[in-house]
Amino acid sequence: KNEVEQSPQNLTAQEGEFITINCSYSVGISALHWLQQHPGGGIVSLFMLSSGKKKHGRLIATINIQEKHSSLHITASHPRDSAVYICAAPYYNTDKLIFGTGTRLQVFP
Amino acid sequence: DAGITQSPRHKVTETGTPVTLRCHQTENHRYMYWYRQDPGHGLRLIHYSYGVKDTDKGEVSDGYSVSRSKTEDFLLTLESATSSQTSVYFCATKLGTEITYEQYFGPGTRLTVT
Repeated sequence: KNEVEQSPQNLTAQEGEFITINCSYSVGISALHWLQQHPGGGIVSLFMLSSGKKKHGRLIATINIQEKHSSLHITASHPRDSAVYICAAPYYNTDKLIFGTGTRLQVFP
Repeated sequence: DAGITQSPRHKVTETGTPVTLRCHQTENHRYMYWYRQDPGHGLRLIHYSYGVKDTDKGEVSDGYSVSRSKTEDFLLTLESATSSQTSVYFCATKLGTEITYEQYFGPGTRLTVT
């Protein structure tokens, strides 16, 4: 049983569509990370959030600590957004992360 | 970008041979991690280090050992490679232990054990 679960596993969209990726976790946490893995394999951190909402360009991340749920939204999606998006939660408030299996997003022109 | 490099980037080896993967960072980050990534699994922690000569096991440490003799280098060794260790290996670093610090990832090493 995964302690961090993402949905959907795969997502296709047309350019310009609004995208939502969900992350639910069963561990008790106070923060959550969203990461992006490019088709070439490189992984970069997008957000770390502990409450409310954060925005970076067309990406918006929200978290509800009480409901143990986070969402990553992409507005006006573009083919360059095609990647795997991964959420990760610190394991019982240690610095070690538990990772979801990722959501593969493909945006078509 | 924490200036993290991994070597080699690709390796094919035979079952039973020893393999060492190297992670090198230029940002003087104290905390370093080795993960493996396999289809159907999230990244899983193999070993981690909180400083020179200070290492500990992660959730999938069997068959792996690590060493950290310098801040900038974190080595992962497969003492006797098995086919189940075919995977993509990622190194990551972090400035501090607080959970709010982000991890910076290396480019990955694709290891195939035949």
